Amino acid sequence: GAVVSQHPSRVICKSGTSVKIECRSLDFQATTMFWYRQFPKQSLMLMATSNEGSKATYEQGVEKDKFLINHASLTLSTLTVTSAHPEDSSFYICSARVEGSNQPQHFGDGTRLSIL
Amino acid sequence: LAKTTQPISMDSYEGQEVNITCSHNNIATNDYITWYQQFPSQGPRFIIQGYKTKVTNEVASLFIPADRKSSTLSLPRVSLSDTAVYYCTTDTGRRALTFGSGTRLQVQP
Repeated sequence: GAVVSQHPSRVICKSGTSVKIECRSLDFQATTMFWYRQFPKQSLMLMATSNEGSKATYEQGVEKDKFLINHASLTLSTLTVTSAHPEDSSFYICSARVEGSNQPQHFGDGTRLSIL
Repeated sequence: LAKTTQPISMDSYEGQEVNITCSHNNIATNDYITWYQQFPSQGPRFIIQGYKTKVTNEVASLFIPADRKSSTLSLPRVSLSDTAVYYCTTDTGRRALTFGSGTRLQVQP
């Protein structure tokens, strides 16, 4: 089946550091990928839609200058958390789907970001 | 307005059948119903998808009534490893998913 790989799985860094998270579709091409954030004991919240070759679409309340998204190829999207602070600590999850309607989304295993 | 509504939590014992019902009163004509399973510190994993009536695969069954305003995920003979959060979603397959609260299933020995 379709596989989405996310890297790294865990990051611990100091406040003010920028962190890049990669999301790859391993055996299919994805013109669209999605980035979610999940706080403890809560559901997944959509942050942005990553579009290959064009600008990402951000959800209300998500700062585009804080969370930089690049989708330079059909198999890779990156999320960079710039100048991260403790409140950015969360579980970040990406997803992608095989093109065509009615195809389920496939999720990466998430990145646990801890900002000290 | 939440797209989907599920019980917050359920408890079961090993070997029992578990049925989790989700309400999606405002489901659109072209929307499919998809269920995901999520373990702690992992991304959601696809379980099953359907449009109407009944769908069965190797891990679960999905029952969808004619009006499609709800769906029921059925897990036969659960084991401890089925302890997880289960989410139902509705979409056409082209948009990002909106996740509700999910149902936290606790399976006990």
